[in-house]
Amino acid sequence: RKEVEQDPGPFNVPEGATVAFNCTYSNSASQSFFWYRQDCRKEPKLLMSVYSSGNEDGRFTAQLNRASQYISLLIRDSKLSDSATYLCVVNSLITGGGNKLTFGTGTQLKVEL
Amino acid sequence: DAGVTQSPTHLIKTRGQQVTLRCSPKSGHDTVSWYQQALGQGPQFIFQYYEEEERQRGNFPDRFSGHQFPNYSSELNVNALLLGDSALYLCASSLIVAGNSGNTIYFGEGSWLTVV
Repeated sequence: RKEVEQDPGPFNVPEGATVAFNCTYSNSASQSFFWYRQDCRKEPKLLMSVYSSGNEDGRFTAQLNRASQYISLLIRDSKLSDSATYLCVVNSLITGGGNKLTFGTGTQLKVEL
Repeated sequence: DAGVTQSPTHLIKTRGQQVTLRCSPKSGHDTVSWYQQALGQGPQFIFQYYEEEERQRGNFPDRFSGHQFPNYSSELNVNALLLGDSALYLCASSLIVAGNSGNTIYFGEGSWLTVV
């Protein structure tokens, strides 16, 4: 079983739609959680952190359920510019105080006219 | 304030050759991690360097080795290249705060390696 699992998509949605991505992780000792966005042939960029209380950044809402080891991302009013791959990322502490990111395979979103 | 810089951006190597990729972390960061991202996959953790030592290693063979210099910059070396080593190699930097897993991690633009 992969440490972080995501539906690879693609999700093809019309502009203005609401789309939800889900992710599960297997390491219950994981410390922090993120969604990264990756455009084609570019490096991943932090979209937002994910907290148990839920957090919102404009059209984006992220939620963490530690009991179910489940992470979600909701995008409202999709824009063409939201087309990208969305990576679910889990951060774990490693020996000596460092940390290691474990990525899902990413979910591809295509927003269409 | 320069972010994470990597070089080269693109390179092509032949099977069996060796390659060295370089990374300069974001100013003020002391930790460098390397990731390999194959086509259609998420980045996979190779190893992390802190205080010039390899702190932890992912599931990669010994052909993958690295180094961190006193100025915190780092190199990733891959020996005896295989076709399957073709990937985007990402360098990530962060500042270690003991016990804090929320340190922001910044990625460089990556080095695209093609092995033919």
